[in-house]
Parts: sequence; C-alpha cells; structure tokens
Amino acid sequence: DTGVSQDPRHKITKRGQNVTFRCDPISEHNRLYWYRQTLGQGPEFLTYFQNEAQLEKSRLLSDRFSAERPKGSFSTLEIQRTEQGDSAMYLCASSSYRTPNYGYTFGSGTRLTVV
Amino acid sequence: GNSVTQMEGPVTLSEEAFLTINCTYTATGYPSLFWYVQYPGEGLQLLLKATKADDKGSNKGFEATYRKETTSFHLEKGSVQVSDSAVYFCALNTGGTSYGKLTFGQGTILTVHP
Repeated sequence: DTGVSQDPRHKITKRGQNVTFRCDPISEHNRLYWYRQTLGQGPEFLTYFQNEAQLEKSRLLSDRFSAERPKGSFSTLEIQRTEQGDSAMYLCASSSYRTPNYGYTFGSGTRLTVV
Repeated sequence: GNSVTQMEGPVTLSEEAFLTINCTYTATGYPSLFWYVQYPGEGLQLLLKATKADDKGSNKGFEATYRKETTSFHLEKGSVQVSDSAVYFCALNTGGTSYGKLTFGQGTILTVHP
C-alpha cells in the first residue's frame, strides 16, 4: 500500500466552474477525513466518513460542497460554482480503529486555485 | 469548542541550536495532543503524541510533555539540523483512538541554517 493518494495534485479553475477531487485512502482504513488548509493556517476539518456513512460535517462545508464515499473505499469532494475564497489546499486523511495509537495518515493534498 | 494556539513564526535557527515551539490548547473533555510536521511538497506526518496528562511524547530527538495544569504541549529539540526545516503543527482530538476530527494550530515555519 502506498499510503493516501489524492488526485489531482493541482487544479486551476475559473470562478463559477465545478471541480471534483478524489482521495484513495489506505485500503484497510475505515475512516476518511477531508480538511482544508489556506495559506499560513493549519488544516480545518470539513467532514469525515466511517465506511460509506458521512458522520460529521463542519459548518465550513457550505451547500456548494458535497462529499461522497460510495463504497466505503475512495472518496470524492465536489465544489460547485467555485469562488475565489475556495482557493486552498484540500487534504485527505484516513485512519482505522486497528491503527495503534492515533494513526491518521495524510495525503499530499490537492491545491485548488480559483481565478 | 476546541482550539489550539501556536507561537508566531517563522522561527529561524542555526544548526545545533535549541528549539522550542509553544503550543497551548482549549478543549472540552480530555484531549489527546499531537505534533505534526509538513515537509515541502509532502503530506502531514505525525511527529509525536501524548494521550494523557504528564505523558511525554518523543520522536527523532523531539519531545513534548502534556501539561494539563497549563494546557500546554510545547515542542522541544536540543539540537536542530538543517533537515528539520519544515512547518510544525500542534493538534488535538477528543474523539478517541484514531477517531474523530483533529483541531490544528496555525502552524510554525522552522528554518534551520547550516
């Protein structure tokens, strides 16, 4: 297993367009998390899944944002009608109750630039 | 709600200098505390952790002690190397083992010069 993979690494889009990001977690991890990181700030929690169920959503996740994890494996994060304020690094992480001692594994992120 | 405050950066040190990065927190319940490191172009990596008061986490020469009385988890290293240059994030969770969302501080950029 090569860890948590995110695709694409970079995305430049025009304001108003829709974008979709993908995250492939470590295969045996049942929990998957999305975070957003803006320049000079720490990651902020957006949402997380246990298997295919979305268990918590942050109030940061406006109606334009939607996340899915259809079969409890990979996850997608879609942003509709992008705004310049959506420009950020979007991080995915996964974990498992079997992972000893708080093992969250992060991907390298997708950097979104809205122009 | 939960929050984490880190010392303002960036921090610039010479090789072999002593490092301290301050971190204080506010949390409901009994949080677990973490330090994560982010090297350029890479994902966040767990550096060390502590799960209860007075625990000391350590890894790669870095240490941090969970101080409940001062709600702090300061990161220290006795002798930094150029390869330690990275962004360091203090974080907490209250969700239990490997579960629950992490709350991060704003990060501290560390640059170590030869």
